[in-house]
Formats: sequence, C-alpha cells, structure tokens
Amino acid sequence: EGQLVQSGGDLVQPGKSLRLSCEASGFTFDDFVFHWVRQVPGKGLEWVSGINWNSGRVHYADSVKGRFTISRDNAKSSLHLQMSSLRLEDTAFYYCVKGPSNWGNWYFDLWGRGALVTVSS
Amino acid sequence: QSVLTQPPSVSGAPGQRVTISCTGSSSNIGGGYDVHWYQQLPGTAPKLIIYAQNNRPSGVPDRFSGSKSGTSASLVITGIQAEDEADYYCQSYDRSLSDVIFGGGTRLTVL
Repeated sequence: EGQLVQSGGDLVQPGKSLRLSCEASGFTFDDFVFHWVRQVPGKGLEWVSGINWNSGRVHYADSVKGRFTISRDNAKSSLHLQMSSLRLEDTAFYYCVKGPSNWGNWYFDLWGRGALVTVSS
Repeated sequence: QSVLTQPPSVSGAPGQRVTISCTGSSSNIGGGYDVHWYQQLPGTAPKLIIYAQNNRPSGVPDRFSGSKSGTSASLVITGIQAEDEADYYCQSYDRSLSDVIFGGGTRLTVL
C-alpha cells in the first residue's frame, strides 16, 4: 500500500522560510500525483498545492501562491514544499498526500502523519 | 466558512445508521465533480474511506457507503461502532475557485 514519511516541521518566525519533505516507499513514486494539505490544529482541512508526475503541472491555493513552491525528485521518491514569507496563519499540520495517477482526479488515497509548522515570534 | 457545508456533529447509538450530508453548489458537486470522504480518528491523519461518490478503497468496511444527488452528497454508516467515532470530511473540486475544496467536517459521536 505504501508509506509517506514526513520531516521538516518546526517553529519559525514570521517572514522566515522553511522546507518540508516527504519520502515515499512501497509504490512507484513517479506514477502518481502528489499534494500538500494542511490543517490548523482543531480545525478543518485545506488543500495547499499539487504536482503531477513530471512536475509539468503544479497548482497552488490562492492563500499560498507566490510564497510556497512544491517540487518533487522522482529519483529519490521525495516531495518537498518550500515555504517562504511565512505568516502566523500558516501555522498548521502539513500533510503530504498521494493522489491517483491522473492529474485532475482530485482525491487523496495515502496520507503522511503530518508535520507541525508553527509560525510565531 | 467552507464551500461545502456539513453538519458540525451527528451522533448515534452502536448499531444505528447515521447519515452525514455535504451540500455544495453548481460549481462543485452540482457541476459533476466527484465527492470523496475522509475519516480522521483522534490524533491521526485523515484516511480516505469513499472516493468518487460510492467507491470504497480496499480495507474499508462495507458499512460505509456514499451517494450523490444534485448539489449534495451523503456518507452513510450502517451499524455504527465505537471505533467509528471520528471527524468526517467531504471533498470535491470547485471550478469557480479552481481549487480542491473540503467540507468543514462532522464529528461523529457514538453514544
């Protein structure tokens, strides 16, 4: 079935940058679309960004557009989220999630455990 | 305010049937976009339990089922068990927002 192991969550000051990573195993990484979904503790889910198999298609939520960059390294079966100009409202658990193989089929069938990003001065 | 509207909470005794609704609009559910459902147990990551209206991933018990009609969708849990106590989220896509959207979540309490 596969596994997604996340790393990179941390406490960071407003305006600073942070990089989240996610390493996949148990399936052919470059066959699938990947996303980041976040959740403010105690609140609901918010989709953040998605990337297709060859990085040719990427998409961002308006709330992070221009500040966050999603990327993937198929050779290392890894997904990344580079977050810059972080704001207090970016504080959340960030989940690495796997989608089906085709771009445009928007659901998430495998989730990482989540990484907590806390933006605070 | 979520684009997809879910009741904040539902409850039922063990063995009962519960339904969780998810109401959208013509730019998402009513526009033909698929609806998916996730279960989030306390302290854990969400888990896909229904995709594309009424399909269950491998390993999800058949007491979970879904449906869609017009601008709404429903998750039905038949014969709820204590282990089903969790938050449930619906999810779709909105063409006006060009974004993936989630409902606000529904907490199921097993009495």
